[in-house]
Order: sequence, then structure tokens, then C-alpha cells
Amino acid sequence: GENVEQHPSTLSVQEGDSAVIKCTYSDSASNYFPWYKQELGKRPQLIIDIRSNVGEKKDQRIAVTLNKTAKHFSLHITETQPEDSAVYFCAAAGANNLFFGTGTRLTVIP
Amino acid sequence: GAVVSQHPSRVICKSGTSVKIECRSLDFQATTMFWYRQFPKQSLMLMATSNEGSKATYEQGVEKDKFLINHASLTLSTLTVTSAHPEDSSFYICSASRGPQQPQHFGDGTRLSIL
Repeated sequence: GENVEQHPSTLSVQEGDSAVIKCTYSDSASNYFPWYKQELGKRPQLIIDIRSNVGEKKDQRIAVTLNKTAKHFSLHITETQPEDSAVYFCAAAGANNLFFGTGTRLTVIP
Repeated sequence: GAVVSQHPSRVICKSGTSVKIECRSLDFQATTMFWYRQFPKQSLMLMATSNEGSKATYEQGVEKDKFLINHASLTLSTLTVTSAHPEDSSFYICSASRGPQQPQHFGDGTRLSIL
């Protein structure tokens, strides 16, 4: 089955700096890669996703890059704000299921 | 939009009680619904996948007789934790998807505490 690894597990950045979270996956058949943001005690919220037919996607301060050959994808948050503090999960989609990474706790220091 | 409603949000009950959790897609038809369990500071662990009108597919290690899943319509799935014990205490979250490799939209989760 699919195996998704995510790094780092924790990340602290100063407000205004950029944050990068990286994930790798094992199943070359996976072709859908969403990123979720989860605040404490709340639901995971989809913030951006990318399919295997593109290498990069951007939505305001958030961007995701995908390297299918190397089987890794990354989340980039620019101009970080305190409200970006949360746990971020990457995921890779197999035929039907999502396989989640272990999460990254991002703290943006004002 | 893609709104998923999950109820109840919080349950506290005695050991041996059965607890039913509902997951509804409010503004779209969900061909597939997923049930996850999340321990504190950990990732989402998939318990089972349910498709409307068919039996749920359980992940390895998840007892199907313990966690009963019903997906009776394209907008409703239920998870029943039967004869719950303290070790079943956890945060359970459902999600719903329009189809394979489509975004999953999550409910608010249910915090289950078994005394």
C-alpha cells in the first residue's frame, strides 16, 4: 500500500517568513495530493491540492509543488501570519483512499 | 460548497454503552464516506471506507463487529461503536467524497469519552 512520510514534525518560523513542509510517497500510481490544515480540536480543512498532471499550483500565499519522478511534493507558505499556526497534513490518493502523512505542527511567532 | 455535518460533537458515556455517530453531506452526494480515528497529536488513522449501498471496507486491525458502519444513502453514513470501553475513547472524524481521487471534506469530529 501507499506510505506517506512528512517532514518536519514541528516547524517554528517568525511572522513574515516562509514555511516549507515536505512529503514523500511510495506508490507511483497515486495521482492526487491534497494538503489539509487542522487547528486544535477542529476538522481538517482542505487548503490546496494538486494532481499529477501539473508540477506546481499556487493560491495566494500557499503553493504546492510536485515531483512525480522523485515521488515528493511540498507545501510552501509565504509571508506567514500567526493564524497560519496549525497542524498541516499532506496526503496521497490511491484508487479510493487518502493516505495521510504524520503531520507538521507549524508555529508562527509574532 | 462541500459541507459535511457530523453529530454528536461530544459524547460521554458509561462503559458497555453503544454510541452512534452520524455523518451527513449537506450539499453534495457522497458516493464514498470515510471514518477516521485520531489520537492526540497524531495523524488521521483510516478505520473504514463505505460506499453507498454496499458493505464497508475495514482497515486491518479494525474490528468490524465493534465498529458498525452503515451507508444507507448518498448523504448519510453512521458509525456505531458497540459496547464501548475506555480504550475506545478517541476523536472520530468522518469525511465524504464525490468519487475516487476527489477531495475529501471532513466533518467536525466526535470526541468520545468512555468512563
